[in-house]
Parts: sequence; C-alpha cells; structure tokens
Amino acid sequence: QTVVTQEPSLTVSPGGTVTLTCASSTGAVTSGYFPNWFQQKPGQVPRALIYSTTNKHSWTPARFSGSLLGGKAALTLSGVQPEDEADYYCLLYLGGDWVFGGGTKLTVL
Amino acid sequence: QITLKESGPTLVKPTQTLTLTCSFSGFSLSTRGVGVGWIRQPPGKPLEWLALIFWDDDKRYSPSLRNRLTITKDTSKNQVVLTMTNMVPVDTATYYCGRHSINIIAQTAASFDYWGPGTLVPVSS
Repeated sequence: QTVVTQEPSLTVSPGGTVTLTCASSTGAVTSGYFPNWFQQKPGQVPRALIYSTTNKHSWTPARFSGSLLGGKAALTLSGVQPEDEADYYCLLYLGGDWVFGGGTKLTVL
Repeated sequence: QITLKESGPTLVKPTQTLTLTCSFSGFSLSTRGVGVGWIRQPPGKPLEWLALIFWDDDKRYSPSLRNRLTITKDTSKNQVVLTMTNMVPVDTATYYCGRHSINIIAQTAASFDYWGPGTLVPVSS
C-alpha cells in the first residue's frame, strides 16, 4: 500500500512564508502524479487549491503556489494570513489510484 | 454553477450495506474527461479516497476497500451511487462526493475541484 507523507504540523508567523511538502513511498514525485492540494478549515468541506502540480483554481488566492521540490510536491504560502490557519492535504495519482496524504496542520502564530 | 450533494442513511448497523447517492448539477458525466468520485473522513482523521467513475464508465477503487465498494452512474439523472458492503464501526465517517476533471489537451487533472457538503454516516448497533 502506497503511503503519501506530509509534515504533521507547521507553524508560521503572519506575513511569513511556509512550504508544505508531499512525498510518496514509491519514490520521487513527478508531474505525472498530478499533485493536488486542498485546504480544510475546522467544520468545513475541503477546498481545492492547486491541481496538476502548479495550476491554481479561479478562486485560489495568489499567495498560494505549487511546485516540485527535491522529489516532493510542494505548496508554498507567501505572505501568510491568519485565515490560512487550516489543515492542508495533498492528493497524488499513483498508478491508477488516488492517495491522500495524512495532512499538515498549519498554525499561524 | 456546479453543485454536488450526497444523500443516504443517517445510521447504518454493523454488517449492513451502505448506499450513498451523489446528485449533481452544472456539468455532465457524459462529457469527455469528467468523473465523479467519493472521499471519506472519519471524525478527526485525514481524508481517504474511495472510488471514482469516469465519463466512459471506467471505474477505479481504493485498493484497500476494492472488495467492498461498487460505484455506478446514471447519466440521465446526473447521479452517482456508491455502495459499501459489510459496514463496521470504523467506517463511521463523513462521506463526500466530488468532481474530477481531466483536460486531455493540456494534460492536466483537477481532482475534486468541487465537493458536496458531505453526509455523516455513523455505524452503530
């Protein structure tokens, strides 16, 4: 069973920059894994942020960006706002199946 | 405007079969590149992908749950149905459906760009 690993928790100061990563137990993440990123605030439905590594949805704030970094998918938040405090999940396409990461709890403090 | 909504039982007993319906509007499952999938989230736990059905009736299942899941579509009704057999208490979760969209020319895939509000399914005797 493939495992997708994210940092369990990260803390960032308002206005700062933070990068969340998403690794696969199968090896380096590439664009062929079509990485997606989602934000979920407490009690809310997950919201899609990034698809196919770097692409933003029409509703995605400009401060969010996706990339590949050191064999992982990455989500970077630049100029973090207090409302960015949330759980973030990546989703990878792995040989015909989709696997979510365990999520990163981002605290803005 | 794209919307999805899940419907199903408010309580399931152990060993029973769960049947969930995703009713959607604003897109068609007969459009090339479109799919609808299911995701669940136990209370306080991460998201878990369950199943996905595509416009061409291609079906994919989570390897760990493959033998318990069936996904079907009714294109004329704009509905996707998920059944999960032999329910147990650890299957207690909020079940979501979401749209999956492939752009074949751009070679991009937007997984679950739109979600339903979710339905909480407790499994208890």
